[in-house]
Amino acid sequence: GAGVSQSPRYKVAKRGQDVALRCDPISGHVSLFWYQQALGQGPEFLTYFQNEAQLDKSGLPSDRFFAERPEGSVSTLKIQRTQQEDSAVYLCASSFDEQFFGPGTRLTVL
Amino acid sequence: QKEVEQNSGPLSVPEGAIASLNCTYSDRGSQSFFWYRQYSGKSPELIMFIYSNGDKEDGRFTAQLNKASQYVSLLIRDSQPSDSATYLCAATTGGFKTIFGAGTRLFVKA
Repeated sequence: GAGVSQSPRYKVAKRGQDVALRCDPISGHVSLFWYQQALGQGPEFLTYFQNEAQLDKSGLPSDRFFAERPEGSVSTLKIQRTQQEDSAVYLCASSFDEQFFGPGTRLTVL
Repeated sequence: QKEVEQNSGPLSVPEGAIASLNCTYSDRGSQSFFWYRQYSGKSPELIMFIYSNGDKEDGRFTAQLNKASQYVSLLIRDSQPSDSATYLCAATTGGFKTIFGAGTRLFVKA
């Protein structure tokens, strides 16, 4: 594709529900990043993949957050038992050199 | 203390003026520095990156890096109303983890 795509663009979840957010990176990009951006803040690093290997997951806020990229292309960020503080925009970026960001998924937990 | 600090603003400049955006970072191991522009409701897009001390110019934009002072700046010459956005400073340390500041809001008045 022409750019990074993310789905869904908007997600409303009830507290306690599990959600799965998808990222389709730019074809050929080895590196993939997930960020969480709260309103009025900069993106906060969550995790980084190089191909299918998750090389850094130090930013995942709790063990309720899990990310995978099994075939080194599409990635999924899963949040279990969502809490209100999980409400944010989740950004995916892929990179060969510079990072290109997707449009984000806005998650609202009620 | 956040690892990358920015004045949240808003910074307001008249059209045609120079806008000066500043950023400090705490990790002396930081190696690469980036300026992103983020329009409201959109995802960040890369404007400039800088690795070495000194100035780097690209069109109306100049990035400045002073590693001794742990200071990065972005100058926007001949500011235009379309430059009105939030400017995010980011730094990476060795690996691929990218730390963003909270951003500075810039308003360019026509």
